Amino acid sequence: ETVLTQSPATLSVSPGDRVTLSCRASQSINRNLAWYQQKPGQAPRLLIYGASTRATGIPARFSGSGSGTEFTLTISSLQSGDFALYYCQQYNDWPPMYTFGQGTKLDIK
Amino acid sequence: QLQLQEAGPGLVKPSETLSLTCTVSFGSISSSSYYWAWIRQPPGKGLEWIGHIYYNGRTFYNPSLTSRVTISIDTSHNFFSLNVTSVTAADTAVYYCARQYKSEYFDPWGQGILVTVSS
Repeated sequence: ETVLTQSPATLSVSPGDRVTLSCRASQSINRNLAWYQQKPGQAPRLLIYGASTRATGIPARFSGSGSGTEFTLTISSLQSGDFALYYCQQYNDWPPMYTFGQGTKLDIK
Repeated sequence: QLQLQEAGPGLVKPSETLSLTCTVSFGSISSSSYYWAWIRQPPGKGLEWIGHIYYNGRTFYNPSLTSRVTISIDTSHNFFSLNVTSVTAADTAVYYCARQYKSEYFDPWGQGILVTVSS
């Protein structure tokens, strides 16, 4: 089973900041990684798949990069609606075993 | 736009069976491009994949849950279901259903349903 470790656990930032969230895999997962945003009381929403492809309707300020074991999600200029939890998820394992990171919470500084 | 909606009891007694359904609207559950998944999230914790099913009934489960979980599909009525047997307090969680592209990422998700295991 591939373990995903996200860092930091919490990040205190201000609107307009550029932020970078990290996700590290315990073994190579190629580019088989997705990112989700979750707001309180809501289901996760897909942001990025294939490590760097934005999902339909996701603003260009969200970008993903990485391959192998190291991945990042960058938000170029934080807006008020971006303060949320962010999870990474891998889909490389076979037999299928999909795992999520423990999440990074973006707080308002 | 495809929508998913979970339904089922919000309270289950310990040792009993948790049963949920996920109704798919504005799209066909018989598409060959997608799997249909269950994912759960204990209160205040992270996400755990439970399992998924293909339109032809093929299933895969999380190895940590495989002995207690069954996922089934009804293509004629466009819904799929989850059963978890012998539940304990550790099964208390928000349960989400989601469409899974091929065997990859999950999109979209249902709104989730909180299931509490308590006597």
